[in-house]
Amino acid sequence: EAGVTQFPSHSVIEKGQTVTLRCDPISGHDNLYWYRRVMGKEIKFLLHFVKESKQDESGMPNNRFLAERTGGTYSTLKVQPAELEDSGVYFCASTRTSGRSNEQFFGPGTRLTVL
Amino acid sequence: AQSVSQHNHHVILSEAASLELGCNYSYGGTVNLFWYVQYPGQHLQLLLKYFSGDPLVKGIKGFEAEFIKSKFSFNLRKPSVQWSDTAEYFCAALSGNTGKLIFGQGTTLQVKP
Repeated sequence: EAGVTQFPSHSVIEKGQTVTLRCDPISGHDNLYWYRRVMGKEIKFLLHFVKESKQDESGMPNNRFLAERTGGTYSTLKVQPAELEDSGVYFCASTRTSGRSNEQFFGPGTRLTVL
Repeated sequence: AQSVSQHNHHVILSEAASLELGCNYSYGGTVNLFWYVQYPGQHLQLLLKYFSGDPLVKGIKGFEAEFIKSKFSFNLRKPSVQWSDTAEYFCAALSGNTGKLIFGQGTTLQVKP
C-alpha cells in the first residue's frame, strides 16, 4: 500500500508569488488533514477534509490560504500571495475514518521557503 | 484551549543510556495521546498511542509511555537507546471529534555512538 505522498518536496519562492502544494492520501482514506510547522515552533493543524468537504478549517491562518479536494481524492493547498511568515514545512496526513482510534499517516512534508 | 507541552527541546545521550522525554497535556475531557517520531529524512510515524485501559502503553522499537492522569503526563521512555534512535519526537493529543492532532514543540534526541 502506497503511503501519503506530497509534492513538491521543497519549494523556494519570492514574497508575493503563488505556490500550490499537493497531497495524495492513502487510497481509500476519506479523511485528509493539513498541518504546518513554522521553524522552531510546534506542528499546527490547518484543516480537515472528509472526502471533498471541509470539516474543520479553524487552523487556516488567513484568506491567502485556499485548500481544495475536488473529487475527494488528492488535495491542494494554495498560498496566494505568499508572505515571509508562510515559510515552514507543510504536512499532510490521512486516515480511513475520523474515529478517535484511527492513526494518522503522514506524508514527508513540503518545505516552503519564501524569500 | 487544549495544549501539549514537551519539556526538553534537545536531548543528547550516549548509547545504552535510558531515555525519558516529558509530555504534559491540558485537557479535562477524554484524552487520547500519541507519540510520533521523525527520523532524519523520513516522514512522521507513530510510535505508540493511548486511548483507554492499561496506562502503560508499549510501542514499536522498545518504546513505552505511561499515562498518569493525576499529573496530566504521558512521558516516553526507553531503557536503553541506540544510535538509530536519533530523531525528533513529538507528543500529540487528539482534539475534539474530528481527529485533529495538537502537537507539542518536539524534542530532538541525539544518541552518540
